Amino acid sequence: QVHLQESGPGLVKPSETLSLTCAVSGYSISSGYYWGWIRQPPGKGLEWIGSVYHSGGSYYNPSPKSRVTISLDTSKNQLSLKLSSVTAADTAVYYCARHMAGYCTNTGCYGGAFDIWGQGTMVTVSS
Amino acid sequence: EIVLTQSPDTLSLSPGERATLSCRASQNISSSYLAWYQQKPGQAPRLLIYGASSRATGIPDRFSGSGSGTDFTLTITRLEPEDFALYYCQQYGSAPTFGGGTKVEIK
Repeated sequence: QVHLQESGPGLVKPSETLSLTCAVSGYSISSGYYWGWIRQPPGKGLEWIGSVYHSGGSYYNPSPKSRVTISLDTSKNQLSLKLSSVTAADTAVYYCARHMAGYCTNTGCYGGAFDIWGQGTMVTVSS
Repeated sequence: EIVLTQSPDTLSLSPGERATLSCRASQNISSSYLAWYQQKPGQAPRLLIYGASSRATGIPDRFSGSGSGTDFTLTITRLEPEDFALYYCQQYGSAPTFGGGTKVEIK
């Protein structure tokens, strides 16, 4: 059974970099699938942040694309999220998730729906 | 960006009743790359439907999805107590987006 677990600091200061990791168990991320990050501000809806493929391909939400880096560490079987120059607007529950089998179009390859989610980790941006 | 508009915001129903949730897209969603999720307080979303009408693993058959193009529907034929929750639609094209959600509450 595939299990995802997010971890990282629960409090980050404004202008600093938010760094989270997502440990994957029950499946080797180097074997396939897209893996992504989604966030949910308190009391609000879901926002996709970005996704990465096991071979290195990635795609990001145009906002906040310039501040986001998502990567895979196959040696540790985990994915990571870095979000720079954070503000209070980045306060949210952050989820990692696995995409279902992806697909390709003439513009690129992308992941399917999110079928497995971590439990989420709350990150507050405050001084 | 494809904007997804869900309606109604809140649906007040009794157990055993039928729930019909709507998701409208600002532009055509190709190949029905549309999913539905259920979220309960303090929990991560759970995938219900993908490809507009395919049930995810372990999802009861009282949940069904339909639609294509820009108009999609999630139907719950007979509400069980555990079905009262928040529901989101999502398109998983080149820039995935989620709808604002519909809350199904007990009347």
